Amino acid sequence: EAGVAQSPRYKIIEKRQSVAFWCNPISGHATLYWYQQILGQGPKLLIQFQNNGVVDDSQLPKDRFSAERLKGVDSTLKIQPAKLEDSAVYLCASSAGSTTEQYFGPGTRLTVT
Amino acid sequence: DQQVKQNSPSLSVQEGRISILNCDYTNSMFDYFLWYKKYPAEGPTFLISISSIKDKNEDGRFTVFLNKSAKHLSLHIVPSQPGDSAVYFCAASQGGTSYGKLTFGQGTILTVHP
Repeated sequence: EAGVAQSPRYKIIEKRQSVAFWCNPISGHATLYWYQQILGQGPKLLIQFQNNGVVDDSQLPKDRFSAERLKGVDSTLKIQPAKLEDSAVYLCASSAGSTTEQYFGPGTRLTVT
Repeated sequence: DQQVKQNSPSLSVQEGRISILNCDYTNSMFDYFLWYKKYPAEGPTFLISISSIKDKNEDGRFTVFLNKSAKHLSLHIVPSQPGDSAVYFCAASQGGTSYGKLTFGQGTILTVHP
């Protein structure tokens, strides 16, 4: 079974630029999550999708972050404009929906200079 | 407000010995707890979980203990192996509509020396 795929793996941008990350979950997984992991901290949930609907986006900085999950499969997370404090690893995870066990992708390491 | 805390940033253990990783939580509404392992440049991998109706769950070399009254859980690895060297995160969730929402601790770096 293929795992969660993410791209790009690394991205370096200057502050005030925009950036987008892509995630392809495990086939058949209805629930998709985006996490932000700042160095030295645990992952923090940004947004949770159930199929293509948003379940929880309470910790998403909506003035600069946006996410969508078209057709209930792939998802993109966008930051516009980026700030220095957005430097982090952005993790995508998916689950079957009925269990808590989430399967994580390798993440995208974003550096904002 | 750090609802899940791992107060030991790192732990060093000799191969063959027991590794004990600790985690404390403050939210009494948490009813499901998980441990994840993370290698460098990879995403976290699910290791073991426990429901709040249990106080122990075992899977091979890994055992998780839950003390609800103390709001404390621990992960025991016996015997420890060099391949267990990784960052370990504990995580917690609530039932109902938040069942999938995980709150993670800061992580503990485990190093197992040959």
